[in-house]
Amino acid sequence: KAGVTQTPRYLIKTRGQQVTLSCSPISGHRSVSWYQQTPGQGLQFLFEYFSETQRNKGNFPGRFSGRQFSNSRSEMNVSTLELGDSALYLCASSLGTGVINTEAFFGQGTRLTVV
Amino acid sequence: AQSVAQPEDQVNVAEGNPLTVKCTYSVSGNPYLFWYVQYPNRGLQFLLKYITGDNLVKGSYGFEAEFNKSQTSFHLKKPSALVSDSALYFCAVRDRGSTLGRLYFGRGTQLTVWP
Repeated sequence: KAGVTQTPRYLIKTRGQQVTLSCSPISGHRSVSWYQQTPGQGLQFLFEYFSETQRNKGNFPGRFSGRQFSNSRSEMNVSTLELGDSALYLCASSLGTGVINTEAFFGQGTRLTVV
Repeated sequence: AQSVAQPEDQVNVAEGNPLTVKCTYSVSGNPYLFWYVQYPNRGLQFLLKYITGDNLVKGSYGFEAEFNKSQTSFHLKKPSALVSDSALYFCAVRDRGSTLGRLYFGRGTQLTVWP
């Protein structure tokens, strides 16, 4: 069974640009969550999508957005990039159904560097 | 509000010795508890989880964790450490009563195993 796939693995962008990151969850998983990891702030929750609907959102500015497609693949977009957006962005997938949820499985991450 | 504390930023242990990585949590309800491991420039890898039942949970690579409800702790343990166990370890919680997939992470503990 294929794991969670994130593309691209590495990105270098200039301040003010925008970027789109992609995540393909494990087959059959309908929940996709995104996290930002930085040395200073640790792992911070961005948002969660389930069946194409955003059902939870962290405390990030509106420059950060996402969406989920009917095949459960997800993208996140960051507009007007700032230096502080440099981070490892992690995608996690889970079944997302019912109260007894399973553990989340993470992709390898996308390392975004803003210069 | 949910929160996770990993009181030690760094744990150093000699190969062959037992290791413990500490985690305490605060959740509004009863938690699901998880441990993840991260190697450099990689995503998070699931180690083990506590859902219900036996307070001692066994996971991958010889790791185990003990759930202690009265102390709200979920410490990760291994009887005999390996150099290859050196990595960043994260404790995470999720509210049992929530259908949302969001995980709350500690700040991580860097484990170094000396040969």
